[in-house]
Amino acid sequence: NAGVTQTPKFQVLKTGQSMTLQCAQDMNHNSMYWYRQDPGMGLRLIYYSASEGTTDKGEVPNGYNVSRLNKREFSLRLESAAPSQTSVYFCASSEAATASYEQYFGPGTRLTVT
Amino acid sequence: AQTVTQSQPEMSVQEAETVTLSCTYDTSESNYYLFWYKQPPSRQMILVIRQEAYKQQNATENRFSVNFQKAAKSFSLKISDSQLGDTAMYFCAFMGFTSGTYKYIFGTGTRLKVLA
Repeated sequence: NAGVTQTPKFQVLKTGQSMTLQCAQDMNHNSMYWYRQDPGMGLRLIYYSASEGTTDKGEVPNGYNVSRLNKREFSLRLESAAPSQTSVYFCASSEAATASYEQYFGPGTRLTVT
Repeated sequence: AQTVTQSQPEMSVQEAETVTLSCTYDTSESNYYLFWYKQPPSRQMILVIRQEAYKQQNATENRFSVNFQKAAKSFSLKISDSQLGDTAMYFCAFMGFTSGTYKYIFGTGTRLKVLA
């Protein structure tokens, strides 16, 4: 099992460019999440998907969109990148049915917007 | 709204010594879960330990244990016999149920350095 995979691992964008961060999990989890990690601010939730076909805003959704393509995949799109979106982005998944509620994280994407 | 506070941005400990990382949280829920995650320099987030709020017994995982004080809303992590490989950022996290779904709130992290 690969767990949670993310692509790309690194990306540099110019202000105004767009891109999509890809995330996939092979653990058959219902719930998936996108976080951003900034120094001194911990992990902040951008969007989440409680189950296939549903998405909801988290704490910092402005400037982002998401798509839950199927149960495995959950992508994050930046339509017009801004320097304030320079961050490390993590995708995570979890499954309530296991009763552990542990989140499994991908390796992260370091995004720099110049 | 739930909040999680880690008041120690950085800590250091000598190898083989014991260190305690603090975490407090605020919630009006009665049932929830608390976690400690470790993030080494590789950036990969790894679950260290989990505590269910309805269980009074403190969770332990080998050298890692928690002191869970539900009334005080405190959830500290104790690392015994510290090893160089414990050097990492540690995040405290709260999971509760809101509007029919469950969400996680993370603290700002404590950077731990284990000294040889």
